[in-house]
Amino acid sequence: KAGVTQTPRYLIKTRGQQVTLSCSPISGHRSVSWYQQTPGQGLQFLFEYFSETQRNKGNFPGRFSGRQFSNSRSEMNVSTLELGDSALYLCASSLWPDYEQYFGPGTRLTVT
Amino acid sequence: DQQVKQNSPSLSVQEGRISILNCDYTNSMFDYFLWYKKYPAEGPTFLISISSIKDKNEDGRFTVFLNKSAKHLSLHIVPSQPGDSAVYFCAASALTGGGNKLTFGTGTQLKVEL
Repeated sequence: KAGVTQTPRYLIKTRGQQVTLSCSPISGHRSVSWYQQTPGQGLQFLFEYFSETQRNKGNFPGRFSGRQFSNSRSEMNVSTLELGDSALYLCASSLWPDYEQYFGPGTRLTVT
Repeated sequence: DQQVKQNSPSLSVQEGRISILNCDYTNSMFDYFLWYKKYPAEGPTFLISISSIKDKNEDGRFTVFLNKSAKHLSLHIVPSQPGDSAVYFCAASALTGGGNKLTFGTGTQLKVEL
């Protein structure tokens, strides 16, 4: 089975711009979660989607949003980018109700 | 508020010996715990998990122990191999809360030396 895939792998954006990241979960997995990893804050939960519905949300501003499509693929969007948004964004999928999450390779976002 | 803590930022072990990585948590609602291994610029790789109804789970060279009363879990790797050198994260989830949100510790850098 193919693993979780994320596109693009690397991205450079300018402050004030917006960005969309994409995630394709493992086939059959309906739960998709997003995490942000930074050196200062570590791995932090952004949100989780299941059957196209946001089921959980972390403590991030409204500039961070996401959605899930009927094929379980997910996108996350960050608007009005700030320098502090530079991070590795990780997507994970799980086969509900199993709780093991399997991560993709991440998208490295650099905001200049 | 760091609900999951890994107090040792780094650990160095000789090849063939046991590696013990520790993790403490404060939220009594956590009832499912996982360990992940991570290399730089890659996503975390799932290693092993344990439910709060158990106190031990074993998978090959990896064993996780859970002490609920102490709110402590540990990952044992025996024998340690150079390929085990990576950052190890423990993570916790509250199943009864619904959904699938993982709270991660800050990680422990394991170095296995020849």
